[in-house]
Amino acid sequence: EPEVTQTPSHQVTQMGQEVILRCVPISNHLYFYWYRQILGQKVEFLVSFYNNEISEKSEIFDDQFSVERPDGSNFTLKIRSTKLEDSAMYFCASGQDPATQYFGPGTRLTVT
Amino acid sequence: AQKITQTQPGMFVQEKEAVTLDCTYDTSDPSYGLFWYKQPSSGEMIFLIYQGSYDQQNATEGRYSLNFQKARKSANLVISASQLGDSAMYFCAMRPRTGRRALTFGSGTRLQVQP
Repeated sequence: EPEVTQTPSHQVTQMGQEVILRCVPISNHLYFYWYRQILGQKVEFLVSFYNNEISEKSEIFDDQFSVERPDGSNFTLKIRSTKLEDSAMYFCASGQDPATQYFGPGTRLTVT
Repeated sequence: AQKITQTQPGMFVQEKEAVTLDCTYDTSDPSYGLFWYKQPSSGEMIFLIYQGSYDQQNATEGRYSLNFQKARKSANLVISASQLGDSAMYFCAMRPRTGRRALTFGSGTRLQVQP
């Protein structure tokens, strides 16, 4: 069964460094999302992407964040200058239509 | 604005018994979708079941069923014949049917299935 994949599974970075989190959505899906979950807290929406542009973003998704679909298969989240509070599990999700969202296994980001 | 409330931080159930995980919601959208996800200790989010607000019947997927009571704004997940592998965090989520696509999640319920 097709699934969303994410790499790396765990990323450790120093404060102020740039990180890129990678996702390969399910191949025929058109809607893409990033969410994050700080340890022990609820899952929070970051951004949605459709038709090669951001369709919606939350207040968390500030100028430090950007998303890209560079080659028609990958979907990336870049954090330009990481802060300690960016430490979280980052989930990519995709959907064939707006009604469903299938999540990837997540990337655990640790900022030291 | 949308809000999801899961009032049970933790639940215990005996293996092979049924369990209900509560979820209430608040929204001003006339049409919306409700979701349940399972998060095992390994961390991934597994989609379980979806219910549209105008669906005539309650959703079912194998051992999972959604007890949708629109007037009460509740969308409880029922797991029948619990298995040890059902031990996990369970999140209720919702989104409008049109417009915004972001899921709003509840705080989750940790289910532990006991042998």
